[in-house]
Amino acid sequence: DMQLTQSPSSLSASVGDRVTITCRASQSIAGYLNWYQHKPGRAPKLLIFAATSLESGVSSRFRGSVSGTGFSLTISSLQPEDFATYYCQQSYTTRWTFGQGTKVEIK
Amino acid sequence: DVQLVESGGGFVQPGGSHRLSCAASGFTFSDHYFHWVRQAPGKGLVWVARIHLDGSSTQYADFVEGRFTISRDNAKETLSLNMDSLRVEDTAIYYCVREGDYSPKLDYWGQGVLVTVSS
Repeated sequence: DMQLTQSPSSLSASVGDRVTITCRASQSIAGYLNWYQHKPGRAPKLLIFAATSLESGVSSRFRGSVSGTGFSLTISSLQPEDFATYYCQQSYTTRWTFGQGTKVEIK
Repeated sequence: DVQLVESGGGFVQPGGSHRLSCAASGFTFSDHYFHWVRQAPGKGLVWVARIHLDGSSTQYADFVEGRFTISRDNAKETLSLNMDSLRVEDTAIYYCVREGDYSPKLDYWGQGVLVTVSS
């Protein structure tokens, strides 16, 4: 089965920091990779789709990229409202899967 | 505005059955695929099932295959999840999720409904 591995599992950062989360797939998924933000008690929110496309209405400080080692989500300047858990998700295989999540906490 | 409102959460005994519903509004329901995604207490998001536009094709995660059934009623703009042979590990918040128009992305989520499987 397709596996997505996110790193790190958690991180502590300060407001204004640049933060990067990576997601590696166990097999090729082309560019079928999305990123979501999830806050406790709230519905998850789509940030990035197709690896690099910013969802309408989402701040441009969120950026998705692709490299030889997989996929990345970068927050250019962390804001107070960005403290949350972030998930990657693939839609390449018949059975979609999520990464295990990366919790971004306040330092 | 797009709205997805789940209902049917509650307590169920192991081995029992339960049905969740999701009422959609604010868009053309029959134009979209739909999913159920769940989150167990203290755990991450997990994809559960997907249904195609007319309900003729469905896909399931292997841990619910044969126990859960996703269905839709395009006339009533409602998505459902029938859950049989429930296990303690099925305890989770279940989210009704819309798939995007032109890209396989999960663009709108309901607020979720809690199902607790316990004796």
